[in-house]
Amino acid sequence: AQSVTQLGSHVSVSEGALVLLRCNYSSSVPPYLFWYVQYPNQGLQLLLKYTSAATLVKGINGFEAEFKKSETSFHLTKPSAHMSDAAEYFCAVKNTGNQFYFGTGTSLTVIP
Amino acid sequence: SAVISQKPSRDICQRGTSLTIQCQVDSQVTMMFWYRQQPGQSLTLIATANQGSEATYESGFVIDKFPISRPNLTFSTLTVSNMSPEDSSIYLCSVEDAGSTEAFFGQGTRLTVV
Repeated sequence: AQSVTQLGSHVSVSEGALVLLRCNYSSSVPPYLFWYVQYPNQGLQLLLKYTSAATLVKGINGFEAEFKKSETSFHLTKPSAHMSDAAEYFCAVKNTGNQFYFGTGTSLTVIP
Repeated sequence: SAVISQKPSRDICQRGTSLTIQCQVDSQVTMMFWYRQQPGQSLTLIATANQGSEATYESGFVIDKFPISRPNLTFSTLTVSNMSPEDSSIYLCSVEDAGSTEAFFGQGTRLTVV
């Protein structure tokens, strides 16, 4: 079975600083990869997805993620954090059987 | 992208009672799923709601506890039966369409059992 590891359950950054949220997956076959964001009291919203096209994927709200097969990683970055970025972020993998596997989530705090 | 309406958005229920959560999609979708998100944890798939047939449950989840209906391609319900405090969670409806790689989620139902 797939597993998704998000390093750091809580990340704090200053407003304007780089955001880096880490995600590693277990698979020898490049799967579909996703980042979802969950704002308080809301459902999950898709930030971006990798589907075996370009390894650098750009998403909404200035986020991007780079797929690195050799490292089985799909880290999420944003050059400059905004207060509105404070939320829970989930990395997810979809395997060839079309089932999603979610990481445990990273809570991002942005310090003014 | 599909727009999903899930209700209720939250509820506080007495132990031993049951709650039915509704999920309405603004378009016909192939796949509908129900997830549970326990406090501080990630999403766990409960079951796949199959249109016109019994839901497919994941390991650890049974129909008697979580009966699911899906009468058509735009609507599903999840019932949490005989609730206990351990059932306090966020329950999320999710949909995928044929040929699409991504999933869309409802806003969730925050359930507290007292």
